[in-house]
Amino acid sequence: DSGVTQTPKHLITATGQRVTLRCSPRSGDLSVYWYQQSLDQGLQFLIQYYNGEERAKGNILERFSAQQFPDLHSELNLSSLELGDSALYFCASSVGGEWDTEAFFGQGTRLTVV
Amino acid sequence: AQRVTQPEKLLSVFKGAPVELKCNYSYSGSPELFWYVQYSRQRLQLLLRHISRESIKGFTADLNKGETSFHLKKPFAQEEDSAMYYCALRTLYGQNFVFGPGTRLSVLP
Repeated sequence: DSGVTQTPKHLITATGQRVTLRCSPRSGDLSVYWYQQSLDQGLQFLIQYYNGEERAKGNILERFSAQQFPDLHSELNLSSLELGDSALYFCASSVGGEWDTEAFFGQGTRLTVV
Repeated sequence: AQRVTQPEKLLSVFKGAPVELKCNYSYSGSPELFWYVQYSRQRLQLLLRHISRESIKGFTADLNKGETSFHLKKPFAQEEDSAMYYCALRTLYGQNFVFGPGTRLSVLP
């Protein structure tokens, strides 16, 4: 167990809908990362937050947004869902800052858009 | 910009054969390099990092700054090594973990 918790584990929804994925980082970790892993694709970095503020942005669509709350948990919002958004969404956390170490990953949320 | 490349999407070897998974990076600063492994669509797990210079499950990786490479090696592959392997670069002050596209290693019996 990495200490990073993602909910829900599975999500099935229809096109055009909106979903929210939740991530609770390891205790003490300030950085949260979101990645998308589509079938036969590698990890695509979406966005990173550090202590509540956006720190880095990757290939995140405008239909997607994220935030990190004061208790450091993070949510990834996906709207106007399309079939191509079906993927495994991973959250990772790390200590962040100058003394950062490795990133710890959650089990992922498997999103299926039908 | 930081970038990690893994030229092989799929690598198949026979059990007992040597394995080398290639990783090259581009980063203007002093990098920290990692290898992560993902078994059967499970969560990614850290395999090893260059600063610790350790061997995990028989795997080793040496950072070559001249060639900007961090290749993962194992002298004798095992079937349980079959997995997806990701090379990752962490930038200064943990700005971001940049992952390569991954290499799927298949160890054949």
